[in-house]
Amino acid sequence: KAGVTQTPRYLIKTRGQQVTLSCSPISGHRSVSWYQQTPGQGLQFLFEYFSETQRNKGNFPGRFSGRQFSNSRSEMNVSTLELGDSALYLCASSLRGPNTGELFFGEGSRLTVL
Amino acid sequence: AQKVTQAQTEISVVEKEDVTLDCVYETRDTTYYLFWYKQPPSGELVFLIRRNSFDEQNEISGRYSWNFQKSTSSFNFTITASQVVDSAVYFCALSEANYGGSQGNLIFGKGTKLSVKP
Repeated sequence: KAGVTQTPRYLIKTRGQQVTLSCSPISGHRSVSWYQQTPGQGLQFLFEYFSETQRNKGNFPGRFSGRQFSNSRSEMNVSTLELGDSALYLCASSLRGPNTGELFFGEGSRLTVL
Repeated sequence: AQKVTQAQTEISVVEKEDVTLDCVYETRDTTYYLFWYKQPPSGELVFLIRRNSFDEQNEISGRYSWNFQKSTSSFNFTITASQVVDSAVYFCALSEANYGGSQGNLIFGKGTKLSVKP
């Protein structure tokens, strides 16, 4: 079956702009989580959605937001980009939630902010 | 506060050597989950194992084995007879069940980069 698909894979933005990243989970998976990966901070949790509701949120500023649609696809948005937002953004899906079993990760969207 | 420590930043071994990746965690919860993920150069994290806090049985899967010891808050991962294809970054992660079971977020260690040379 198709894995987790993230688009775009690579993108370059400038400071102050905004960006929207998309994640299509594995068919049938209702939970989608987002993580930011940087060399300095490692992998950090952004938020988790389940059936269109945000269930859990990490310690990120309000510039980071997300949503989930009725087909479980999810988007995350970062407004007023800063240099420090340059990172690999990973999306993960699971049937019911992170604690219930395996998380399936996409290959990520690599964002560079200039 | 929850924390996962992978003290080994990088490990380099020669093919067929055994290698152990260390993971030490901190949590105040009595119910929690521990994970290992592998990140190859392509970027996506690949699930290796999930353990809950009530199951201290060690597990073996082919060349991979895991040693969970609550007394030392450790969840170490051993690769026996390593192969070049094992080269990757390996992450240990912790998730607490205090959100009602299915929820939770993974708290990752900084990862250990394993290089297996032929």
